[in-house]
Amino acid sequence: EAQVTQNPRYLITVTGKKLTVTCSQNMNHEYMSWYRQDPGLGLRQIYYSMNVEVTDKGDVPEGYKVSRKEKRNFPLILESPSPNQTSLYFCASSFSSNNEQFFGPGTRLTVL
Amino acid sequence: TQLLEQSPQFLSIQEGENLTVYCNSSSVFSSLQWYRQEPGEGPVLLVTVVTGGEVKKLKRLTFQFGDARKDSSLHITAAQPGDTGLYLCNHNAGNNRKLIWGLGTSLAVNP
Repeated sequence: EAQVTQNPRYLITVTGKKLTVTCSQNMNHEYMSWYRQDPGLGLRQIYYSMNVEVTDKGDVPEGYKVSRKEKRNFPLILESPSPNQTSLYFCASSFSSNNEQFFGPGTRLTVL
Repeated sequence: TQLLEQSPQFLSIQEGENLTVYCNSSSVFSSLQWYRQEPGEGPVLLVTVVTGGEVKKLKRLTFQFGDARKDSSLHITAAQPGDTGLYLCNHNAGNNRKLIWGLGTSLAVNP
């Protein structure tokens, strides 16, 4: 089944404790993105990647890191999480930014 | 940053009513996509519009792309509770570049 998977789905952590949210797709997509979704602010792109080893900042990259060492995986890293990073996070993939975006199920992160 | 404005922000209607939601920008789009997001899930693509003046139909949903490719509308005929969700529009800022999303229209269709 073609899909985007994210783990974990839910995470409660404390300020400053490094965490990684994994994202994997099995559709051989080149373009992958991370978003955060907050009430009143909509979907905001954090980082995107056009292909392996190519990543770029989206609208809200501060406090986040990503890597794209393999085509299928695009982990999101929070080196020192803070409460303002409490949000619903989505990973998405597509053949290109012009094509249909396939979204993962979301990761609800709470930083205390 | 190219912004997408969606209106209305919230809409609550009764089953069977018709409605239209809008997605507007001051910039010209090469293409525009509409997505629907249900609570607790990621957005799912409804349609992509590419040509100015284009009209696409998906059952009771009609999508229109403005002639100048700066705006788009989504019209739902005889809305049903299953249409409830957040309707989002987006476009990309250029070839394989970052994506711009509107804030969405939150639609509630009451039985």
